[in-house]
Amino acid sequence: EIVMTQSPATLSVSPGERATLSCRASQSVSSNLAWYQQKPGQAPRLLIYGASTRATGIPARFSGSGSGTEFTLTISSLQSEDFAVYYCQQYNNWPLFGGGTKVEIK
Amino acid sequence: QVQLVQSGAEVKKPGASVKVSCKASGYTFTSYGISWVRQAPGQGLEWMGWISAYNGNTNYAQKLQGRVTMTTDTSTSTAYMELRSLRSDDTAVYYCASSYSGSYDYFDYWGQGTLVTVSS
Repeated sequence: EIVMTQSPATLSVSPGERATLSCRASQSVSSNLAWYQQKPGQAPRLLIYGASTRATGIPARFSGSGSGTEFTLTISSLQSEDFAVYYCQQYNNWPLFGGGTKVEIK
Repeated sequence: QVQLVQSGAEVKKPGASVKVSCKASGYTFTSYGISWVRQAPGQGLEWMGWISAYNGNTNYAQKLQGRVTMTTDTSTSTAYMELRSLRSDDTAVYYCASSYSGSYDYFDYWGQGTLVTVSS
């Protein structure tokens, strides 16, 4: 059974700084990896699929990389609206989400 | 634009059943599948299962097998998720989400969520 592990659990970042979030799979998921952003009281929003393809309407400051078991979501310059919880999800098998990383204001 | 609109909040007693609806618009309903994802209070996301709106095929998460049933009504572009024998740990926000390729897929559009509270 695949396990998805996100780190860190919480990331404190100042506006304008770069944020790097990690997602690790316990076995290879190829490039079948998506990233979502969730704000309080809202549904998740698709950011990235195929490990590195931005979804429609997603700003270029969001980028994804990796394949196999190691993946990264980078937010190049954090804006106020980017403070949220981020989840990775593998879909190489039954969909499975990581535990999430909360990006908070430093 | 694509919209998934879910039914309202529910309060149920342990042992009861709940049925949540998800009405789709803005796309050809039978071209996508619908997954259901739930989120317990303060917790992460858990995939519950998927249904093809094209032919009604389903795949359910193993832990929910026997308690969950997903259906669609193509005449109204609506998907349904029924969960039976409710327990307190079924208290969660339940989301429907669309996926293009099948049960192994990411989710590009989401409903607004339906809070189901299980309490005696």
